[in-house]
Amino acid sequence: QAVLTQPPSASGTPGQRVTISCSGSSSNIGSNYVYWYQQLPGTAPKLLIYRKNQRPSGVPDRFSGSKSGTSASLAISGLRSEDEAHYYCAAWDDSLSGPVFGGGTKLTVL
Amino acid sequence: EVQLVESGGGLIQPGGSLRLSCAASGFTVFTNYVSWVRQAPGKGLEWVSVIYTGGSTYYADSVKGRFTISRDNSKNTVSLQMNSLRAEDTAVYYCARGAEWDPPDYWGQGTLVTVSS
Repeated sequence: QAVLTQPPSASGTPGQRVTISCSGSSSNIGSNYVYWYQQLPGTAPKLLIYRKNQRPSGVPDRFSGSKSGTSASLAISGLRSEDEAHYYCAAWDDSLSGPVFGGGTKLTVL
Repeated sequence: EVQLVESGGGLIQPGGSLRLSCAASGFTVFTNYVSWVRQAPGKGLEWVSVIYTGGSTYYADSVKGRFTISRDNSKNTVSLQMNSLRAEDTAVYYCARGAEWDPPDYWGQGTLVTVSS
């Protein structure tokens, strides 16, 4: 059972905007930054969003993150077929003294 | 360029031991948090252990007392000693770097550990 809660699946058509939610608690999302990762089959997670909605070099600005209280969300605008992947949220947890992850959301581009 | 390369995975019988190693380059392991994160087949990411810059170590409840994280500053490596392995420890194990109080930013390619008789 993952510490952070994500919907198991999401979908959208090319060009559409989709959002993926991530729910936690005061010891993780409520008091720390939320990170988002993209994982393609057979590869390691790739960082998409970190700290205050920052994107690493090479990540398009179609990806954006937001946080409110103990919840966060990832928005993907102008959906493309190559965005089909699993997406994970993460945050530091002050009670566990380590990072915690969501269960992952499989995004399907219809 | 930041790189992490894991090694040491393989097939091991239940109750056995295995030592994973993570070779880091492009940064120093003693100035960053380094975590081990695992992913069981078809499942999500699960944090396993972390070693802080000051050397403090923390573990997920599922591995506490069985796994030990350590680092060798001279070799710029971080290791994970895994004892009393169980079938449910079967997973790809990733080594990942993070800043203080932040989730990982850079990840290795992972090494597969299979616990089976």
